[in-house]
Amino acid sequence: ILNVEQSPQSLHVQEGDSTNFTCSFPSSNFYALHWYRWETAKSPEALFVMTLNGDEKKKGRISATLNTKEGYSYLYIKGSQPEDSATYLCAFIGVDDKIIFGKGTRLHILP
Amino acid sequence: GAGVSQSPSNKVTEKGKDVELRCDPISGHTALYWYRQSLGQGLEFLIYFQGNSAPDKSGLPSDRFSAERTGGSVSTLTIQRTQQEDSAVYLCASSLARTFYNEQFFGPGTRLTVL
Repeated sequence: ILNVEQSPQSLHVQEGDSTNFTCSFPSSNFYALHWYRWETAKSPEALFVMTLNGDEKKKGRISATLNTKEGYSYLYIKGSQPEDSATYLCAFIGVDDKIIFGKGTRLHILP
Repeated sequence: GAGVSQSPSNKVTEKGKDVELRCDPISGHTALYWYRQSLGQGLEFLIYFQGNSAPDKSGLPSDRFSAERTGGSVSTLTIQRTQQEDSAVYLCASSLARTFYNEQFFGPGTRLTVL
């Protein structure tokens, strides 16, 4: 059974601080990795689609890296703001078109 | 243009009844995906369509679940003889192509409660 693990499960960060969290996935049969932000009472919003080993993507204060050989991706948030409070999901897509989501990292930004 | 829409937003039904959930993707998006999130669980992939075709239905939880898509647009997820364990939020998403190299745009979801 393929497993996608996200850690930590929950995180409290002071406003203005930077933070990062991890998505671990199977290193074989990799096709793509997606990151999503899911705010309470809203729909998941795509952040990044990552496909190549060594990929680094950035959107404003948020960036992500990908290591397909060792099976992990990091999401970084620089200078956390209250609006960053959300659950961050990663999704592993295998060459067989199966999509497996992690359970998410719930980020709380403390004012 | 409008985003992905889903209807109904909430559905309460009695055990044993059939329900139909509808998804209207973004115009021009050829790929459409169905997911569900049960209470306390992560997001679970159910099925995807490329055009009107669903290449792999193995993600559907049981043979009570079926999905179709017509005209390369609207999709319907049907659950027959609903059970309490079917209670969940059902999310639909669409993307420009099915290659998974494109980001998915999610609808607001349908919250299904089976009494």
